[in-house]
Amino acid sequence: DSGVTQTPKHLITATGQRVTLRCSPRSGDLSVYWYQQSLDQGLQFLIQYYNGEERAKGNILERFSAQQFPDLHSELNLSSLELGDSALYFCASSVFPDSGANVLTFGAGSRLTVL
Amino acid sequence: ILNVEQSPQSLHVQEGDSTNFTCSFPSSNFYALHWYRWETAKSPEALFVMTLNGDEKKKGRISATLNTKEGYSYLYIKGSQPEDSATYLCASLNSGNTPLVFGKGTRLSVIA
Repeated sequence: DSGVTQTPKHLITATGQRVTLRCSPRSGDLSVYWYQQSLDQGLQFLIQYYNGEERAKGNILERFSAQQFPDLHSELNLSSLELGDSALYFCASSVFPDSGANVLTFGAGSRLTVL
Repeated sequence: ILNVEQSPQSLHVQEGDSTNFTCSFPSSNFYALHWYRWETAKSPEALFVMTLNGDEKKKGRISATLNTKEGYSYLYIKGSQPEDSATYLCASLNSGNTPLVFGKGTRLSVIA
């Protein structure tokens, strides 16, 4: 157990629907990152929060949004889902805001299947 | 946006063989290089973080080197064991407020 908790582990839904993925960072970590892994792709950075504030943004679609709450858990909202959104979504956390010299601790991922 | 390349894409070795694979990254404005080990159905786990040119890190039978001037890192596994079977990910960070950029990984299978 890495200490980063992601729910749900698996989710199957239909096109056009909206889902929310949840992440609780490791105790003491203030920074949360969301990554997407699609078939044959590396981990694609979506967005990062640090202590409740958005810190960095990657190629996150406008249909996707995220936030980090005062208790530091984060939610990734995916709306108007398309088949291509099917992927493994990882949350990772770190103590500091910059992922330079400090490692990321990953959750087990949420596998989203859009039918 | 950084482009991080890993080779080979996949690798099959016999138990006991030593092996290595490569991570290439843009050398300009380099800040840090991370290696992660990702077993199927588990979370990626950090192996090493390297920041200085010439860095060498070791953890048991696994070691890594870093050349920031030419933009590459090698990961070595000595005497591969079946439990080493995993996908090995590298990720690079350049200076500034930018996120880690991951390569697609090298998938290692160690055959007993």
